[in-house]
Amino acid sequence: EAAVTQSPRNKVAVTGGKVTLSCNQTNNHNNMYWYRQDTGHGLRLIHYSYGAGSTEKGDIPDGYKASRPSQENFSLILELATPSQTSVYFCASGDALGVNQDTQYFGPGTRLLVL
Amino acid sequence: QQQVRQSPQSLTVWEGETAILNCSYEDSTFDYFPWYWQFPRESPALLIAIRPVSNKKEDGRFTIFFNKREKKLSLHITDSQPGDSATYFCAASGRGSSGNKLIFGIGTLLSVKP
Repeated sequence: EAAVTQSPRNKVAVTGGKVTLSCNQTNNHNNMYWYRQDTGHGLRLIHYSYGAGSTEKGDIPDGYKASRPSQENFSLILELATPSQTSVYFCASGDALGVNQDTQYFGPGTRLLVL
Repeated sequence: QQQVRQSPQSLTVWEGETAILNCSYEDSTFDYFPWYWQFPRESPALLIAIRPVSNKKEDGRFTIFFNKREKKLSLHITDSQPGDSATYFCAASGRGSSGNKLIFGIGTLLSVKP
């Protein structure tokens, strides 16, 4: 069964520290996405990727970097974590083409607390 | 500026009633409108979606009504069940949008009372 997995599932970080959130998908999808979810804001796109080696800025990229080293893996990097980045982070994957091209499949989420 | 707006922010209905969740959008180039639902402590999942070639899409108890002229759509949940209690997100994307990006509304929290 196709799946999107994320690690870690929970993370406590200190202000100023580096945090890396990882995402792996077995859907063989070209597109991958990183969102954060906060009460009152819904899901907001941070970075996305068309395929291995590509990363694009989403709607709220400041303070975040992304890396797509392979088709399966997409990482979100917080170089200098701040308390305002405390949130739930979701990774998603989607087909670039085909009948399901606009459907995104979400991972289980990572809860990040920055102290 | 919110490109996709949802109302109400929260809604409570009794079991068996019809719940109506509303969504509106700004960009007339949007041509795909999915609804995702999310149960507590879980991730969002696609529930039902519509493209503007039609003004209605049904899937069991869930129906999307779409009004292209007014740039509005609504999700109707008939015979609501307590298991339908979740947050519902309306989203949109446009033809040729890079990376098939979706823009999400802030969600409607639906509670169905038994």
